[in-house]
Amino acid sequence: DGGITQSPKYLFRKEGQNVTLSCEQNLNHDAMYWYRQDPGQGLRLIYYSQIVNDFQKGDIAEGYSVSREKKESFPLTVTSAQKNPTAFYLCASSIEGHSNQPQHFGDGTRLSIL
Amino acid sequence: AQSVTQPDIHITVSEGASLELRCNYSYGATPYLFWYVQSPGQGLQLLLKYFSGDTLVQGIKGFEAEFKRSQSSFNLRKPSVHWSDAAEYFCAVGARPGAGSYQLTFGKGTKLSVIP
Repeated sequence: DGGITQSPKYLFRKEGQNVTLSCEQNLNHDAMYWYRQDPGQGLRLIYYSQIVNDFQKGDIAEGYSVSREKKESFPLTVTSAQKNPTAFYLCASSIEGHSNQPQHFGDGTRLSIL
Repeated sequence: AQSVTQPDIHITVSEGASLELRCNYSYGATPYLFWYVQSPGQGLQLLLKYFSGDTLVQGIKGFEAEFKRSQSSFNLRKPSVHWSDAAEYFCAVGARPGAGSYQLTFGKGTKLSVIP
């Protein structure tokens, strides 16, 4: 079955540590997205990529970094500069990076601070 | 820029009762509109979408939504709720090409609880 795989499901970060969240899709989609979800806040866009080797900042990019070296993969690094990283992180993809394209979501990674 | 408001943070209904979840948007033209559902600890699943044409849209799991331009609304409905419908529901809006960013803007969600 085609879909989006996020790993790990749970992740713990120590103070001052960078951690990387994995997102892989086999849907042959061009566009990929990273969202942060906090209780009562809905989804907020961190970064998005409309095509390989290109990505743009979303609304809350500070303290995060991404790469898009392969079409299938869009890893998110939560850096030590992100002072409040505890949240549920969702990766999504769409056929193209246009807002009329439904987004398909992975099952998320929950990040907590030790 | 577009915005979305879901006025109800939490709704509780009895199994078998009808359901309406409200969504209001702010945008200068007719946007693209979506409803997604999220079960606890899971990702979001698309229920239905509206782009143009018939203002009553049918989706999966027996849900429907009606686009009302005059009220800037896109409310989600279901005639008879099942216990498995308990989840969080998100409305999202996207701008037309050339009229805004490519991003989807999501509401803050409505949590639905179902009483047996």
